[in-house]
Amino acid sequence: SQQGEEDPQALSIQEGENATMNCSYKTSINNLQWYRQNSGRGLVHLILIRSNEREKHSGRLRVTLDTSKKSSSLLITASRAADTASYFCATDPRNTDKLIFGTGTRLQVFP
Amino acid sequence: DVKVTQSSRYLVKRTGEKVFLECVQDMDHENMFWYRQDPGLGLRLIYFSYDVKMKEKGDIPEGYSVSREKKERFSLILESASTNQTSMYLCASSEGQSETQYFGPGTRLLVL
Repeated sequence: SQQGEEDPQALSIQEGENATMNCSYKTSINNLQWYRQNSGRGLVHLILIRSNEREKHSGRLRVTLDTSKKSSSLLITASRAADTASYFCATDPRNTDKLIFGTGTRLQVFP
Repeated sequence: DVKVTQSSRYLVKRTGEKVFLECVQDMDHENMFWYRQDPGLGLRLIYFSYDVKMKEKGDIPEGYSVSREKKERFSLILESASTNQTSMYLCASSEGQSETQYFGPGTRLLVL
């Protein structure tokens, strides 16, 4: 089963609205990362949050991490049509030396 | 900026053919990875390499092999392509094994 599970699987919003995506995982981690993928392209790294951090910001992105609940959320504020993409969380479990990706959330932002 | 390039964006091959997918990174990264991406299954790790001539199996290595003769280049080989290997193949590199990964644009492979 997947280490990281994103929720929801798909999300549709209007430009200007905020978009929130969640990621849950199963085992203890060193860090958690969020990536974006435009249709048919490679993934682009957005933000990395370490297990001892609770919140991190980057521009219009805000990521939170709750290690007690084994969950993370990605908030995109004031969304734009260009934010339309799939968003993946990736975890770095403590007992492995690789990243494990979730199945992603497809975000559609309508102009 | 890190640049990861993949030899082809689209590739069509026939069942039984030997297929080479090449990946090159220009940031002197130690670690390189090959994933395949299928709808509903997310990214699955095929092989990774943490040094020249070193390789480690990922979650789904069956039917694949890899080669890393030079630090900047990591090749994925399908010895005898099968239709169930039709997929999007993504290469990535990183400085540390669990740190930020930089991805190439992907190769969409169709095996007929």
